[in-house]
Amino acid sequence: DAGVIQSPRHEVTEMGQEVTLRCKPISGHNSLFWYRQTMMRGLELLIYFNNNVPIDDSGMPEDRFSAKMPNASFSTLKIQPSEPRDSAVYFCASSPGGSTHNEQFFGPGTRLTVL
Amino acid sequence: SQQGEEDPQALSIQEGENATMNCSYKTSINNLQWYRQNSGRGLVHLILIRSNEREKHSGRLRVTLDTSKKSSSLLITASRAADTASYFCATGNNAGNMLTFGGGTRLMVKP
Repeated sequence: DAGVIQSPRHEVTEMGQEVTLRCKPISGHNSLFWYRQTMMRGLELLIYFNNNVPIDDSGMPEDRFSAKMPNASFSTLKIQPSEPRDSAVYFCASSPGGSTHNEQFFGPGTRLTVL
Repeated sequence: SQQGEEDPQALSIQEGENATMNCSYKTSINNLQWYRQNSGRGLVHLILIRSNEREKHSGRLRVTLDTSKKSSSLLITASRAADTASYFCATGNNAGNMLTFGGGTRLMVKP
């Protein structure tokens, strides 16, 4: 199993540009999570999906952030327009789902720098 | 706000020594998990302890949970330089699949 796949691994963009981060969860996992990690705020949950349906997006910082999961094998996190304070490492994680006993499997992350 | 808070924030020890990290949380939980993060990498699950368990072992790892004190500890015995990483506790509740992560403990094991 390849694990959770994220792309791109690094993204450098200019303020105001649209950024799209991509995630492929582990096959068969029902839950998918998007996190943001910074030195100041630590690891923050942005949104999570269960069976492709967004369950909790209370962590999404602003309307500039949106996430979709069109099918069980793909999710995107979009920032439009991007701002320098969005610079962070964004992680996608998946879990078998169905129970809070399940561990989460993290992808390698996308390091976003907004200039 | 973070549910789990790790203590200490940073820990530096010599290879072969034991490392103990603590986690405190605020609300009732269903389970508590510990994760490890190497620099520049994603988090990796280490161990899960359920709310009705008090202690769990996995290799050189020992986790305890005290629900009355809302705290947990992670003990790494006979530490190795390769154990150098950040360690996070995460709590799960009964409401769904969400985990709430603490701020982490940065462990450095000197060879």
